[in-house]
Amino acid sequence: DAKTTQPTSMDCAEGRAANLPCNHSTISGNEYVYWYRQIHSQGPQYIIHGLKNNETNEMASLIITEDRKSSTLILPHATLRDTAVYYCIGAGDYGGSQGNLIFGKGTKLSVKP
Amino acid sequence: EAGVTQSPTHLIKTRGQQATLRCSPISGHTSVYWYQQALGLGLQFLLWYDEGEERNRGNFPPRFSGRQFPNYSSELNVNALELEDSALYLCASSFTGLHGDFGQGTRLTVV
Repeated sequence: DAKTTQPTSMDCAEGRAANLPCNHSTISGNEYVYWYRQIHSQGPQYIIHGLKNNETNEMASLIITEDRKSSTLILPHATLRDTAVYYCIGAGDYGGSQGNLIFGKGTKLSVKP
Repeated sequence: EAGVTQSPTHLIKTRGQQATLRCSPISGHTSVYWYQQALGLGLQFLLWYDEGEERNRGNFPPRFSGRQFPNYSSELNVNALELEDSALYLCASSFTGLHGDFGQGTRLTVV
């Protein structure tokens, strides 16, 4: 599974776009980029995933560079409820050959009024 | 569509006892994954069940075990509980192999 690197923490003003970067330079061609978030003491919430193309859903947009070595999760209009730890994970189908997702330390996003 | 459900929400056990945690996957999902999240730490992979078989396990001792039933629900058993087993235990399910949401977890406290 690809090793990912994320900033430890970020701040964002409420109503502004939150752009969360992730480096995954060792990602292989068949590995997806997943994003999850975890609000304190709750189960991780799936946000979005992508392979090569940019993806958008009702929660966020995922921008993957052409060389697939990095990506950015965009929350277009951050609210206080978006305050959470955001995890970027590189893994294939079935979470990679081992079946699991490897969660790093993630980015603590604090949305401020 | 109902999400992944876990029970109980909270569980308090004494050191040396056994704990049983349950997970019901999203309807139609055949894989169940278990993770442990100790306080202040990241999620650690425990077990993966698919179609009733254990497919992979993380770096945990054998006293962590489980099973998957014909209806794809799953049980996690922790024997000979130790204080450091106190954690949030999370379950996720999938059909295509791509993880979706997790359940809200079972908070296990060992005293």
